[in-house]
Amino acid sequence: AQSVTQLDSQVPVFEEAPVELRCNYSSSVSVYLFWYVQYPNQGLQLLLKYLSGSTLVKGINGFEAEFNKSQTSFHLRKPSVHISDTAEYFCAVTNPTTGTASKLTFGTGTRLQVTL
Amino acid sequence: GAGVSQSPSNKVTEKGKDVELRCDPISGHTALYWYRQSLGQGLEFLIYFQGNSAPDKSGLPSDRFSAERTGGSVSTLTIQRTQQEDSAVYLCASRRSPSGGYGYTFGSGTRLTVV
Repeated sequence: AQSVTQLDSQVPVFEEAPVELRCNYSSSVSVYLFWYVQYPNQGLQLLLKYLSGSTLVKGINGFEAEFNKSQTSFHLRKPSVHISDTAEYFCAVTNPTTGTASKLTFGTGTRLQVTL
Repeated sequence: GAGVSQSPSNKVTEKGKDVELRCDPISGHTALYWYRQSLGQGLEFLIYFQGNSAPDKSGLPSDRFSAERTGGSVSTLTIQRTQQEDSAVYLCASRRSPSGGYGYTFGSGTRLTVV
């Protein structure tokens, strides 16, 4: 079984400040990792994903995340946030296989609130 | 279509009534998933369809929930005798490949309110 922990339910930050949203996972096998963003009344949009290779992954809207296998983490970062980044962010994990195990397991989400 | 389409976008129903939620995946996507998003609960896996294989129903919370996928395309999630705890946003996602590496495309969801 696999699980995802997002310890911060809410992260307030001022505009143009850096931000880090934390994600830790638990899995007995190799993983694929994802970050999704959900704007109000919308579905989930993929920000970035780690499948293999370089542990530093760059995504859309200036976000990046680093896969750390020893710490089982996949924290999301942005050096300078904008008001428009205010949204709910979800970390998710799946296994590189077919069938049932390919379903995504999500964390409970982190609400990023950017203010002036 | 260009994206995953879900209907209705909002549904208010009385406790005890049955509801049907529809998902129209991206053409050619063989895998289809239903998730439930409850306030403060994150996203909970409900059911998974892959091609013509038997669906994985392991996430359905009770026998009041069922889903089908006709012709490998459109899927319908049915909730019978709705209860207030069924109130949530129901999200559908589809994926092109049977492997786990490719992106999942989510619909905008159906917000179900049981009164």
